[in-house]
Amino acid sequence: AQSVTQLDSQVPVFEEAPVELRCNYSSSVSVYLFWYVQYPNQGLQLLLKYLSGSTLVKGINGFEAEFNKSQTSFHLRKPSVHISDTAEYFCAVSARTNAGKSTFGDGTTLTVKP
Amino acid sequence: EAQVTQNPRYLITVTGKKLTVTCSQNMNHEYMSWYRQDPGLGLRQIYYSMNVEVTDKGDVPEGYKVSRKEKRNFPLILESPSPNQTSLYFCASSLYGPGQNNNEQFFGPGTRLTVL
Repeated sequence: AQSVTQLDSQVPVFEEAPVELRCNYSSSVSVYLFWYVQYPNQGLQLLLKYLSGSTLVKGINGFEAEFNKSQTSFHLRKPSVHISDTAEYFCAVSARTNAGKSTFGDGTTLTVKP
Repeated sequence: EAQVTQNPRYLITVTGKKLTVTCSQNMNHEYMSWYRQDPGLGLRQIYYSMNVEVTDKGDVPEGYKVSRKEKRNFPLILESPSPNQTSLYFCASSLYGPGQNNNEQFFGPGTRLTVL
């Protein structure tokens, strides 16, 4: 079984400030990890993913995430946010032994204030 | 244009009346999946399909059926809908399963279902 915990349901931040959205996972096997973004009234879009190799993963829109196996975490970061980053962000995990099955976290709403 | 389409986009129905939500992709993707999104619960996977005639349960399959008779279509069937199936449903597809390089999961626009 696998699970995902997004530690913050809402994160308010001012424009141009740095932000970190936290994600912890649990799985009995090795996993793939993903971050998705959902803008209001839209579907989800992949931000970045960790499959293997370097633990620091860079994605679209200036986001990056670091896979920490010992802490079972995959936190998402951006050094300077924009108003347009206001959205809901989802962390997701798939087991390497059953990559078709995906488990998502409950989501973190990022609100960027001017 | 490469896309995942869902129909209908909005549906209000009554308890027990069978319904089908269609999902179609024009990208020749092998992998397709259905999710439901509820406030505070994120997305939960209902069913997924790694290829034609291959389907598997996600985390919340109860009350739903799917079929994958052809690569492009993956309909979601509610044989006897109940109010607790009121939700926002997303279909998604990708060339292969999520754990592959150069392989992004594309999401449809969503279907908002209300069961009275």
